[in-house]
Amino acid sequence: AQRVTQPEKLLSVFKGAPVELKCNYSYSGSPELFWYVQYSRQRLQLLLRHISRESIKGFTADLNKGETSFHLKKPFAQEEDSAMYYCALSLFYNQGGKLIFGQGTELSVKP
Amino acid sequence: EAGVAQSPRYKIIEKRQSVAFWCNPISGHATLYWYQQILGQGPKLLIQFQNNGVVDDSQLPKDRFSAERLKGVDSTLKIQPAKLEDSAVYLCASSFAGQGYEQYFGPGTRLTVT
Repeated sequence: AQRVTQPEKLLSVFKGAPVELKCNYSYSGSPELFWYVQYSRQRLQLLLRHISRESIKGFTADLNKGETSFHLKKPFAQEEDSAMYYCALSLFYNQGGKLIFGQGTELSVKP
Repeated sequence: EAGVAQSPRYKIIEKRQSVAFWCNPISGHATLYWYQQILGQGPKLLIQFQNNGVVDDSQLPKDRFSAERLKGVDSTLKIQPAKLEDSAVYLCASSFAGQGYEQYFGPGTRLTVT
């Protein structure tokens, strides 16, 4: 079955420290992977997707098909990065774009 | 552009009562999704519409949940009768099409069943 696993419920770092939010997926086909973010009192919104290979707000994520991972990284965390982060998988064959979400990781960046 | 609108924002009901949620997607978005997010978990897709047709409702508890999208625009999600385990945030999202298009989420409706 298709699954997304985010092993850390909470990740706490100090400002300026590197950040890595882990995401592993289970899917035998060609996945399309996303990171969504929810800041306090705001809506869930797309942060980045692996297809675009872009850096958003200093975050990057590389799809590693061998390790079935899509970890989110940022070299220097900022306090405004504090939020809930969700990794999501879209099944390639599902033309409807259905997303399967992980449980989420709360990132707390301390001053 | 205006975002996805949902109402009500909060709802408290007793078990066995019924409740309905409303969603207005972004204008021009053909695909509409309803997700259930239980506390401490990620969103789980309940049902997906393409215009006014159902694309995926495999995880919708059809004995108590129903949804419709008349005229391919607004949508309503209903629970009848509600159970304690239905307490969750119900998120509506829309996208221009399906695969490959960004999903835009509404603010959600927080349902508490007592």
